[in-house]
Amino acid sequence: DAKTTQPPSMDCAEGRAANLPCNHSTISGNEYVYWYRQIHSQGPQYIIHGLKNNETNEMASLIITEDRKSSTLILPHATLRDTAVYYCIVKRQGGSEKLVFGKGTKLTVNP
Amino acid sequence: GAGVSQSPRYKVAKRGQDVALRCDPISGHVSLFWYQQALGQGPEFLTYFQNEAQLDKSGLPSDRFFAERPEGSVSTLKIQRTQQEDSAVYLCASSVGRRLPQQYFGPGTRLTVT
Repeated sequence: DAKTTQPPSMDCAEGRAANLPCNHSTISGNEYVYWYRQIHSQGPQYIIHGLKNNETNEMASLIITEDRKSSTLILPHATLRDTAVYYCIVKRQGGSEKLVFGKGTKLTVNP
Repeated sequence: GAGVSQSPRYKVAKRGQDVALRCDPISGHVSLFWYQQALGQGPEFLTYFQNEAQLDKSGLPSDRFFAERPEGSVSTLKIQRTQQEDSAVYLCASSVGRRLPQQYFGPGTRLTVT
């Protein structure tokens, strides 16, 4: 599975949009981009995933560039409860089902 | 419905003791995973079951680690002769399977070896 690169930390003001970038320049055509987050002292939580089209659900939006070499997770109106470590993971559908986590981005939402 | 549950939530073991960590996955989930998370790091894969079959155990760090899921539901991760480097949070996750691959994680068991 392709490797990902994320900034170690980011800050965001409460109520503003949080845009978390992820670089996956070696992604293959059959690899999906997954986002999970981990709030302190909890297990990781699935957020969203996509292949090449932009995706939106009740939690977030995922924007994948046309060349698929990078993506951005958008939390449209960040709240204090969104403070967490966010992991971007690239995984081939139908391949090994395990998730390979990096160090993620620690997002701090400030009041 | 109930999510993934793990027990105990906290475990303190003296070096050399054996421990058993339990995972109750979401009912009906075919796939079950164990991960180990050291302080300040992302989770690292240990092993994976599809029903009762252990399909991947490539992440188990040594032969002191053993996992089972005999009836395809509850799973137990056993660590024999614990060492200080085994101190970590052990996370269990389950998923429907390849059709819906997103994994649902439990709260983890924090193991401290003294």
